[in-house]
Amino acid sequence: GAVVSQHPSRVICKSGTSVKIECRSLDFQATTMFWYRQFPKQSLMLMATSNEGSKATYEQGVEKDKFLINHASLTLSTLTVTSAHPEDSSFYICSAIPPFNTEAFFGQGTRLTVV
Amino acid sequence: AQSVTQLDSQVPVFEEAPVELRCNYSSSVSVYLFWYVQYPNQGLQLLLKYLSGSTLVESINGFEAEFNKSQTSFHLRKPSVHISDTAEYFCAVRSRGGGNKLTFGTGTQLKVEL
Repeated sequence: GAVVSQHPSRVICKSGTSVKIECRSLDFQATTMFWYRQFPKQSLMLMATSNEGSKATYEQGVEKDKFLINHASLTLSTLTVTSAHPEDSSFYICSAIPPFNTEAFFGQGTRLTVV
Repeated sequence: AQSVTQLDSQVPVFEEAPVELRCNYSSSVSVYLFWYVQYPNQGLQLLLKYLSGSTLVESINGFEAEFNKSQTSFHLRKPSVHISDTAEYFCAVRSRGGGNKLTFGTGTQLKVEL
């Protein structure tokens, strides 16, 4: 199956700093990627849809200025958590669906801890 | 709009016993149905999916799920679980009519005990 790689797997940052998370589709081109946030023992909450070459589409209640998404190429989308605070600590997961495919492939996830 | 309900947040079961994880969905349009499994601190892996055809779908590791349109359900079953099946299981739907958004249930933690 297709491979989606997410980096880093874990990151600890100080409050007030920014953190960038990368999501790459390794063997297919992804015009669209999805960013999810998962709280402990809860389901995945879709944060935004990343569109190559255009602005991301954010879900209601997600601050676009806080969670900056850039999809500069067909294989890379980045999520930057700006001015991070402890409440931003969470597990972030990206996914992509290869062309002509019904199945979504997920990255390994990034555990963000803001101290 | 779509929604997915997984009524059981946790399911403890002894090894080699059968298990059923329940999933019900609501949608105004036809959907594809998925079960994903998540191991601790990892992303999601597809377990099985229903797209069309036979309503009973199977995975390579012994899980199966049956699509029941009248009951809008897609319950996951395994006749004999193993310790390694301990994980979080998510049911999800996606509209057939376009758009790639997945709607997830809240997940069921399957804990297999000796």
